[in-house]
Amino acid sequence: AQTVTQSQPEMSVQEAETVTLSCTYDTSESDYYLFWYKQPPSRQMILVIRQEAYKQQNATENRFSVNFQKAAKSFSLKISDSQLGDAAMYFCAYKFGGGGADGLTFGKGTHLIIQP
Amino acid sequence: AAGVIQSPRHLIKEKRETATLKCYPIPRHDTVYWYQQGPGQDPQFLISFYEKMQSDKGSIPDRFSAQQFSDYHSELNMSSLELGDSALYFCASSPLAGGRETQYFGPGTRLLVL
Repeated sequence: AQTVTQSQPEMSVQEAETVTLSCTYDTSESDYYLFWYKQPPSRQMILVIRQEAYKQQNATENRFSVNFQKAAKSFSLKISDSQLGDAAMYFCAYKFGGGGADGLTFGKGTHLIIQP
Repeated sequence: AAGVIQSPRHLIKEKRETATLKCYPIPRHDTVYWYQQGPGQDPQFLISFYEKMQSDKGSIPDRFSAQQFSDYHSELNMSSLELGDSALYFCASSPLAGGRETQYFGPGTRLLVL
């Protein structure tokens, strides 16, 4: 079974600076997808970024980018120019590929604090 | 853009009662997923459906059942409620187009069992 590990329960960063959240995963599959979801205090789950395992190029969405290291099974999220609105719980998630309706496996989350 | 709709948003029940949660996926999304998130925990996958058939099953208790209807909406039925069922229940949906990789979450239903 696949597992997702987020080793940083909490991170703190100054506003406008850059922070990197870590995620490692374990799977025996070659076809899968990785995601970062943000959960602010409202508890809505918001998709931040998605990475296909077959793509070597790291995904980028505005201030958010990932460092995907497939051999190392590592998937970190970099947030540039941190803003107060980025304060939230961040979950790394894995989904088996193959086009099926498989559920996501989440890590335990990292609580990101933005210092003004 | 239209989002996933969940109802009710808040629900209070007594132990041993039953509850029904409803989920309306984003238009043109044929796949629905249910998750349970306890306080301070990560979401746990319960069950998924597409084309009205159960697709994948996670850690769903036997006291819970779910189904998807012809209009693609889904209902999660919870019986013999226990205190430990108090949680935030998310529904997510994904489109057939693109292979269902990405799941879009609704706002959740907060269930409190007293």
